Amino acid sequence: AQSVAQPEDQVNVAEGNPLTVKCTYSVSGNPYLFWYVQYPNRGLQFLLKYITGDNLVKGSYGFEAEFNKSQTSFHLKKPSALVSDSALYFCAVRPLREESGYSTLTFGKGTMLLVSP
Amino acid sequence: DGGITQSPKYLFRKEGQNVTLSCEQNLNHDAMYWYRQDPGQGLRLIYYSQIVNDFQKGDIAEGYSVSREKKESFPLTVTSAQKNPTAFYLCASSLSYGENEQFFGPGTRLTVL
Repeated sequence: AQSVAQPEDQVNVAEGNPLTVKCTYSVSGNPYLFWYVQYPNRGLQFLLKYITGDNLVKGSYGFEAEFNKSQTSFHLKKPSALVSDSALYFCAVRPLREESGYSTLTFGKGTMLLVSP
Repeated sequence: DGGITQSPKYLFRKEGQNVTLSCEQNLNHDAMYWYRQDPGQGLRLIYYSQIVNDFQKGDIAEGYSVSREKKESFPLTVTSAQKNPTAFYLCASSLSYGENEQFFGPGTRLTVL
């Protein structure tokens, strides 16, 4: 069974500082990885995804994520945080279809990012 | 929220009543999904549909039912058999099942009184 761990319930960072939101995963074979963001009382918005290729993936709003196969991690990063980045962030994983057939997406429990002015 | 609408935004239900949550998409996506979100638990999959007239149970389907009679619509019924229905419900769609990122609606907050 696949799983996602987001070890931090909350991450606090000052505006202008770099931020990292951690994600580790467990899946059979190679992963298909996503990051989503959710603002209060809203649906989730897609930020970025990793399928294959370059381990550093760039996404929306200046976010990027680094895939590390040996550590089974896909941490979300941004060089300079904004107060408007404050939101709930979800990591999600599924196996690549070619290796396992169809499979559903599994989400982590989410990490609240709070950026202070 | 990208072409997916959910209604109503807030819904109140008395115990013992069935209630139907609406989800409509104009993205011409084949696949649609229903998730339940509870504080501290992330998203859990209730039902999903890969194509019209087809749907499968997700991880927590008990007490819920769905239909997929039209490509653009995937309504979710929360039945009286669902023991703890108070939650935030999210509908999503993707171009095809599994391959593409999912686009989410704004959600419906259901409260059982």
